[in-house]
Amino acid sequence: EAEVAQSPRYKITEKSQAVAFWCDPISGHATLYWYRQILGQGPELLVQFQDESVVDDSQLPKDRFSAERLKGVDSTLKIQPAELGDSAMYLCASSLSVGAQTQYFGPGTRLLVL
Amino acid sequence: RKEVEQDPGPFNVPEGATVAFNCTYSNSASQSFFWYRQDCRKEPKLLMSVYSSGNEDGRFTAQLNRASQYISLLIRDSKLSDSATYLCAVNIEAAGNKLTFGGGTRVLVKP
Repeated sequence: EAEVAQSPRYKITEKSQAVAFWCDPISGHATLYWYRQILGQGPELLVQFQDESVVDDSQLPKDRFSAERLKGVDSTLKIQPAELGDSAMYLCASSLSVGAQTQYFGPGTRLLVL
Repeated sequence: RKEVEQDPGPFNVPEGATVAFNCTYSNSASQSFFWYRQDCRKEPKLLMSVYSSGNEDGRFTAQLNRASQYISLLIRDSKLSDSATYLCAVNIEAAGNKLTFGGGTRVLVKP
């Protein structure tokens, strides 16, 4: 069964450092999402791509976060500089298209900022 | 007010019992509804979509009440393996298929 891949699975960093997360969606899935999930809360959408284009980044803290999906396949989410409040699970999900309702999640990257 | 709200629980459920919980949403333009299951430190996994007429998948039944703007999930004959956090998600297609999640309801099934 095809899966969304993410790496690393865990990341510990010190505040003010830069971190990057990688996501490879299910093959053929045009739409890719990055979510942040703080412990005890539901996932919150950070950015949505349709192929290589950003569809929605209204909740992305653009002063420190950036995301790209240059070739419309895999994607990278970067935080620079990391802050203590960025400690969370970062989840990537994909769906066949913007109109497809089912999103499939990857295993996530758990970030701890010290 | 949050767009999607859930009782965080935990719901402590004896094995074999029935448990039900709701999720309320504030945006009347919401069009699609889902229940996800999330195990501790794992990713959410789609449990079931929620259709207007209600739907059932084995021991799980989902209902939608558009008038009162809530969805519900009922679990019959609870198993120990049903212990998890159940997230509801709401989709507004005009907003680009963006899913808005509730905070989750934690269910603990005990022997």
